[in-house]
Amino acid sequence: DIVMTQTPLSLSVTPGQPASISCKSSQSLLHSDGKTYLYWYLQKPGQSPQLLIYEVSSRFSGVPDRFSGSGSGTDFTLKISRVEAEDVGVYYCVQGIHLPWTFGPGTKVDIK
Amino acid sequence: EVQLVESGGGLVQPGRSLRLSCTASGFTFGDYDMSWVRQAPGKGLEWVAFIRRKAYGGTTEYAASAKGRFTISRDDSKSIAYLQMNSLKTEDTAVYYCTKRSASYGPRFDYWGQGALVTVSS
Repeated sequence: DIVMTQTPLSLSVTPGQPASISCKSSQSLLHSDGKTYLYWYLQKPGQSPQLLIYEVSSRFSGVPDRFSGSGSGTDFTLKISRVEAEDVGVYYCVQGIHLPWTFGPGTKVDIK
Repeated sequence: EVQLVESGGGLVQPGRSLRLSCTASGFTFGDYDMSWVRQAPGKGLEWVAFIRRKAYGGTTEYAASAKGRFTISRDDSKSIAYLQMNSLKTEDTAVYYCTKRSASYGPRFDYWGQGALVTVSS
């Protein structure tokens, strides 16, 4: 199975400041179709997870443009350009190139 | 408005069975793959199973932890996805989320249900 790791596991951010989360996979997530199957989800406190980013860098409908995804191969990053109070929660990356789909351990983001 | 509503969770003894249902609305259910993702108390997310739409054969895939014990199925006429869970273990205790998959490849889940809590304990 592909192992997903995330750093840091916890992040405390001042509102208005940027934040960055790293996600690494144990194998390349680049498919022969040219796409890279890496996704980001946010689980806000007490809520179900919600899709933020798909295929590394495509923002899902309604996701604010302060969220951006980047990376390739095995190394990926989620960036929040200016953190807002509503961005608190746990961020998960997940790979989709091989079954079983595997999630990272999550990065908990809170506000200072 | 897309809605996914899970039901059927509860307290069950180890070794027993439980069936979760996911009732969908707001979209053409038969046109989409459906999946289950679970979250043990205080833990992260774990993909459990998914079922393809009939146009793609209605075939199923399972995580190793679910294979042989869990069965995912669907009734397109009722817009319901099911997760039949047999031989339950204490480690199956989790909130089980039903998800709608919006792409033909990968875990691109655009909608999630509110979750159903399954507690396996004697």
